[in-house]
Amino acid sequence: NAGVTQTPKFRILKIGQSMTLQCTQDMNHNYMYWYRQDPGMGLKLIYYSVGAGITDKGEVPNGYNVSRSTTEDFPLRLELAAPSQTSVYFCASSYGDLRYEQYFGPGTRLTVT
Amino acid sequence: RKEVEQDPGPFNVPEGATVAFNCTYSNSASQSFFWYRQDCRKEPKLLMSVYSSGNEDGRFTAQLNRASQYISLLIRDSKLSDSATYLCVVNQFYFGTGTSLTVIP
Repeated sequence: NAGVTQTPKFRILKIGQSMTLQCTQDMNHNYMYWYRQDPGMGLKLIYYSVGAGITDKGEVPNGYNVSRSTTEDFPLRLELAAPSQTSVYFCASSYGDLRYEQYFGPGTRLTVT
Repeated sequence: RKEVEQDPGPFNVPEGATVAFNCTYSNSASQSFFWYRQDCRKEPKLLMSVYSSGNEDGRFTAQLNRASQYISLLIRDSKLSDSATYLCVVNQFYFGTGTSLTVIP
């Protein structure tokens, strides 16, 4: 089991560029999440999904989009990158809702300049 | 008011010391509580879930106080390897900012 994998590990974007952060899990989890973590801060939920074809906004969704066409994959799309999106992005998955632990990917470090 | 608040520390303690962290939450209807550990530049990993009756795992003890709306984590006999940031999590995706712990030889 690879668990949760994320690509790329690092990326530098110019302002206004777009990119997709990839996330894949092999644990057959229904629930998947995208977070961002700014220096010295906790994780903020961007989007989440409770199953293929179902996504919903989290606390900080502006500037991002997601899709969930399969159970395994949950890509995060950044359109028109801005310096405020410089952060570490973590994807996570869990077996179910509130009671279940989350398994995190190793993160993507994104810098927008 | 923030959903979850933690003292950011840092806590610098000698090896063998006992250290405790608290975390307060604002939603009295919160249902689930966790402590995660995050090493520098790594992803968070579950340390332990927090149950109403409290729970213990080796040197780690977690408690929930619903009346005062806080959870706590107690680490006994601190090891150098305990150095990390400890994140409290409420209702699965409300994270505190984390408490930094450094255990000193």
